[in-house]
Amino acid sequence: DTGVSQDPRHKITKRGQNVTFRCDPISEHNRLYWYRQTLGQGPEFLTYFQNEAQLEKSRLLSDRFSAERPKGSFSTLEIQRTEQGDSAMYLCANSALQGPQETQYFGPGTRLLVL
Amino acid sequence: AQSVTQLGSHVSVSEGALVLLRCNYSSSVPPYLFWYVQYPNQGLQLLLKYTSAATLVKGINGFEAEFKKSETSFHLTKPSAHMSDAAEYFCAVSDDTGRRALTFGSGTRLQVQP
Repeated sequence: DTGVSQDPRHKITKRGQNVTFRCDPISEHNRLYWYRQTLGQGPEFLTYFQNEAQLEKSRLLSDRFSAERPKGSFSTLEIQRTEQGDSAMYLCANSALQGPQETQYFGPGTRLLVL
Repeated sequence: AQSVTQLGSHVSVSEGALVLLRCNYSSSVPPYLFWYVQYPNQGLQLLLKYTSAATLVKGINGFEAEFKKSETSFHLTKPSAHMSDAAEYFCAVSDDTGRRALTFGSGTRLQVQP
């Protein structure tokens, strides 16, 4: 257990519906990352926050995706008008900025299936 | 741009045999390298990381990895495989340019035969 939790663990939705995932990080760690992992692949970076500021978004993050981190605590990732191609594991990672030796601790992930 | 290549999407070993999982990196700046393990339907667990302090890095569960700059490699080894080592292993790279988002390889699935 890394101390990072994600909710829900599994989500099945119909194409066109909106979904929202939540990540609760280790409280004192100020960097939070979202990754997406499709079957048989390694995780791919989506976006990250330092405290409440969203500092970078990947080209993978289309306009249908939005992420927030109010007050620099938990984070949410919303997908609007889901498509079958959004089916994947969505992973949250958390780190304390410790200079070059930053280590990211991952949550258990939310597995999304879009029918 | 930085990247990692994991050679062999599947590796099968017998219990008690040497485990060798290969990772080669590409980076224009000194890299930071990581190995993570993922068990089915779970998130990623850090096995070990290289941050330039020592080229031979020891991790959890008896794993270790050696950073070889001349070969741009960071292969993961374990002297004696255990059934519980069966999982997916990912090599990842980041650098000291501020963002530090990890770039992952495509993973190697390790099977351990009794």
